[in-house]
Amino acid sequence: QVQLAQSGAEVKKPGASVKVSCKASGYTFTAYYMHWVRQAPGQGLEWMGWINPTSGGTNYAQKFQGRVTMTGDTSISTVYMELSSLTSDDTAVYYCARDYDFWSGVLDYWGQGAQVSVSS
Amino acid sequence: QSALTQPRSVSESPGQSVTISCTGTSSDVGGYNSVSWYQQHPGKAPKLMIYDVDKRPSGVPHRFSASKSGDTASLTISGLQAEDEADYYCCSYAGTYTFVFGGGTRLTVL
Repeated sequence: QVQLAQSGAEVKKPGASVKVSCKASGYTFTAYYMHWVRQAPGQGLEWMGWINPTSGGTNYAQKFQGRVTMTGDTSISTVYMELSSLTSDDTAVYYCARDYDFWSGVLDYWGQGAQVSVSS
Repeated sequence: QSALTQPRSVSESPGQSVTISCTGTSSDVGGYNSVSWYQQHPGKAPKLMIYDVDKRPSGVPHRFSASKSGDTASLTISGLQAEDEADYYCCSYAGTYTFVFGGGTRLTVL
């Protein structure tokens, strides 16, 4: 069965960077794009961007341009999302989610989420 | 890119029907037939309920239906059950390979 297993909770200081991983299993990793979505405490979902694991091609939400980097390692079926210059506003649960058809935006499987807390 | 507009909360009794709206612009909801809906229970990851405006993934009950008119998409849940109590989010393609979510709607089953 399809599973997306994310890395654990992180606590970071303002100005630092965080790198969250998402290991896929149960399907052909290179056949599906992966998105990242975050959710601040008590807030809604926010789309961050996607990565094509085969080519490494990415597309980011304008809000995160210059601060987010999504990468993948096909040898271990894992994608990564790195966010730099963290502020308290980046405190959120970060989800990876598989796109069922290239970059359609239809997110059919989600990871369990990774809590990132930014505090001095 | 501004979030799509959803009512913050809706409530209805078991067995009744409820409709949640999702309003965007001609640059997102109105411009493409690429609207999806997600259900999220507290502390859980979102779950895909509807895609491509009105298509249901396998396993999603037929009680869930959706449509779109102009810049507004709608999710209707009929025959409400206690387990339907959750947050619901719409999501739309917004051009240049980007996507935007709605602010979310808390559904309370009275």
